[in-house]
Amino acid sequence: GQQVMQIPQYQHVQEGEDFTTYCNSSTTLSNIQWYKQRPGGHPVFLIQLVKSGEVKKQKRLTFQFGEAKKNSSLHITATQTTDVGTYFCAATNFGNEKLTFGTGTRLTIIP
Amino acid sequence: DTAVSQTPKYLVTQMGNDKSIKCEQNLGHDTMYWYKQDSKKFLKIMFSYNNKELIINETVPNRFSPKSPDKAHLNLHINSLELGDSAVYFCASSHRYEQYFGPGTRLTVT
Repeated sequence: GQQVMQIPQYQHVQEGEDFTTYCNSSTTLSNIQWYKQRPGGHPVFLIQLVKSGEVKKQKRLTFQFGEAKKNSSLHITATQTTDVGTYFCAATNFGNEKLTFGTGTRLTIIP
Repeated sequence: DTAVSQTPKYLVTQMGNDKSIKCEQNLGHDTMYWYKQDSKKFLKIMFSYNNKELIINETVPNRFSPKSPDKAHLNLHINSLELGDSAVYFCASSHRYEQYFGPGTRLTVT
């Protein structure tokens, strides 16, 4: 089945530093979504990217979809303690409605 | 107003028992899902229902049986619980692409 890998698995940053997580697939993706899960919480939808090379911003968060639609990234500028959590990418293949979640990147912030 | 709710929030039970988890959504969505999140935080889809019909059934032991009495409800029944079933189970619903997750049910099998 489809696999979606994320790196890094863990990231510890000082508050105020930037953070990036990368999502990679061996197959071309129909679209990619990003979710955030706070410790003890449930995944919450952040954004969906559909077009090749698409870039979207939400305040300090920048999401990018690769030109080949096989990879994506989430970049957070100047992290804050509220950014703590696990960030998941999730993707669907063409003709397949199933959303496959990436392995997740757990972000911890050192105040 | 809770969009996707699950009961119970915590479930501790012994091996061999049968248990059910209930899920309800008040968003009017057509599609509902069950996910399993293990201790390493890997999130895997188990089942998906669209308008009460099963559309995704991953490689899940047949001890797990979903049931959708109507569009707003998707329950999960687990027979003969095993230690490896310990995990957090999330229900979710969607209208188009964005999925809304319930708060999760932490199942511990002893």
